[in-house]
Amino acid sequence: QSALTQPASVSGSPGQSITISCTGTSSDVDAYNYVSWYQQHPGKAPKLMIYEVSNRPSGVPDRFSGSKSGNTASLTISGLQAEDEADYYCCSYTTSVVFGGGTKLTVL
Amino acid sequence: EVQLVESGGGLVQPGRSLTLSCAASGFSSHDYALHWVRQAPGKGLEWVSGISWDSGTIAYADSVKGRFTVFRDNARNSLYLQMNSLRAEDTALYYCAKDRYSYYYYGIDVWGQGTTVTVSS
Repeated sequence: QSALTQPASVSGSPGQSITISCTGTSSDVDAYNYVSWYQQHPGKAPKLMIYEVSNRPSGVPDRFSGSKSGNTASLTISGLQAEDEADYYCCSYTTSVVFGGGTKLTVL
Repeated sequence: EVQLVESGGGLVQPGRSLTLSCAASGFSSHDYALHWVRQAPGKGLEWVSGISWDSGTIAYADSVKGRFTVFRDNARNSLYLQMNSLRAEDTALYYCAKDRYSYYYYGIDVWGQGTTVTVSS
């Protein structure tokens, strides 16, 4: 049950696009289409942003999109806004469940 | 309103036990898988345990296997986590969370606000 690998930090200016990667193995990300992404603001509970690789829950802006290629999943945020600044976590099924280490997004 | 409310956290000595509770409201919790996820101070999220709607499928993170036990009472719309042989590294905010489906893992769409467990002498 090794954690999925995410970059520690990414940054972008308002209006730009950024992509956060999430690298797993043939036992998790590559094996199942059950990859999710969560946004967490300081002191708050996480919020589901993407489920099953590329699906957005109701209420999540379409600026957020997800994809997967092999053992790497990606979260792309287009048209960055100040309120997007937060920590982002990927998560995958693997007979149990494993999170990524998290990525801090800074909006410059 | 869909809500999960955790309780039972506190300060406990290493080696002792503690049981967390989670009360669900605003939805039929017995239809969904439930999870415990924890977050150590200043650290990332760590999945702890998951349980299917009928308690027929249960799994644990390697870090707690053999020490923690998850169980649910659908009649009471409640989820529990019995934690034995606690260690300093179990210190964290523990979230109760709801899966999108009756079995896991399809994504966690509802989170509680968490209950804090501190393991220290």
